[in-house]
Amino acid sequence: QVQLVQSGAEVKKPGASVKVSCKASGYTFTSYDINWVRQTTGQGLEWMGWMSPHSGNTGYAQKFQGRVTMTRNTSTTTAYMELSSLRSEDTAVYYCARDSGFCTNGVCFNWFDPWGQGTLVTVSS
Amino acid sequence: SSELTQPPSVSVSPGQTASIPCSGDKLGDKYASWYQQKPGQSPLLVIYQDTKRPSGIPERFSGSNSGNTATLTISGTQAMDEADYYCQASDSSTEVVFGGGTKLTVL
Repeated sequence: QVQLVQSGAEVKKPGASVKVSCKASGYTFTSYDINWVRQTTGQGLEWMGWMSPHSGNTGYAQKFQGRVTMTRNTSTTTAYMELSSLRSEDTAVYYCARDSGFCTNGVCFNWFDPWGQGTLVTVSS
Repeated sequence: SSELTQPPSVSVSPGQTASIPCSGDKLGDKYASWYQQKPGQSPLLVIYQDTKRPSGIPERFSGSNSGNTATLTISGTQAMDEADYYCQASDSSTEVVFGGGTKLTVL
């Protein structure tokens, strides 16, 4: 079955970086974009950006530009999200999700299915 | 990027119909999706492309989208449907936007 399995919880100090992995299985990895979404405790969902496993192209939410990097390893069907210059407000559960939507004439229609199990990143001194 | 607005909470009696609205500028011109999230779990897609249900999602879940409002409707609501629900769409700059979420209480 289609599955995304993420790496385990992390504890980081302010100013450090964190790299979360997302291993895909059950489908052709290069056929679907991977998106990253985070959720702070008790709060809603916040989209961070997308990456094409086929081309390596990326698109980041304006809020995270300059601090986030999304990459992949096609031989291991694994996507990565690295967030730098961490601060306490970055404490959240980070999810990867497969984008099952499409783009046409420069307009994209996205929906995410499935999602990884989430990775808790705690930023604390 | 544009915003999507949802009510913080909706209550429904078992067996009744629950409607959760999601409003945004010209939302009807975009595709809306809906996710269900239960405590300690990842979000689960329940509606995509405004009205479609993924395999395995019960028929009691349905969606609509017109004008500035998309709506998730749960007919014959069951206790197991109690969860947080989030709407989602893509705006004109190709950024993805989520609504703030609605806590559905079945009482």
